[in-house]
Amino acid sequence: SAVISQKPSRDICQRGTSLTIQCQVDSQVTMMFWYRQQPGQSLTLIATANQGSEATYESGFVIDKFPISRPNLTFSTLTVSNMSPEDSSIYLCSGRNNEQFFGPGTRLTVL
Amino acid sequence: GENVEQHPSTLSVQEGDSAVIKCTYSDSASNYFPWYKQELGKRPQLIIDIRSNVGEKKDQRIAVTLNKTAKHFSLHITETQPEDSAVYFCAASIKRFGNQFYFGTGTSLTVIP
Repeated sequence: SAVISQKPSRDICQRGTSLTIQCQVDSQVTMMFWYRQQPGQSLTLIATANQGSEATYESGFVIDKFPISRPNLTFSTLTVSNMSPEDSSIYLCSGRNNEQFFGPGTRLTVL
Repeated sequence: GENVEQHPSTLSVQEGDSAVIKCTYSDSASNYFPWYKQELGKRPQLIIDIRSNVGEKKDQRIAVTLNKTAKHFSLHITETQPEDSAVYFCAASIKRFGNQFYFGTGTSLTVIP
């Protein structure tokens, strides 16, 4: 399967600021997704990143808070906007062709 | 969307014994069921999957069974080893919901040497 890398791997941010997470796949994938995972918890889907169009968001997630871009079949970004401590989590990028695989995650701490 | 329940939340077994994790789903249109293993601090890794047209699939010490009528599927690990210790997640996928996965709550498996 393809390999996903994410940048940054971790960050500590101040309340009210924004952070953009980059996701790069080493080959083209049909679908890309963004998940959030709290420590010791399951994976919660934030949105499906659609190439060349607006992302499809799950209930409880909105574009103003989590803007997503996907300019091509190998790259996507997730921005966490106007952060608060409740946004502290691990954010995982995921790609799928026949199988779905995950990036290493970005550990975000908001102070 | 889909609702996936997973049991047990924690499981401890002696090395060499078998471990079974069960998941149920709510939408009969779910057609793909992967299982992921996540070691501490690492990304989830696909270990086995099954599609709705198959009742059972096996890969060495790991097997998955699917009961479409009852809407449940199970992961079976035989001859467990300490390196099997991890959190395991099941998921279900429905084509009409864009094929996105709905994950279970996870099972923390500990294999005691």
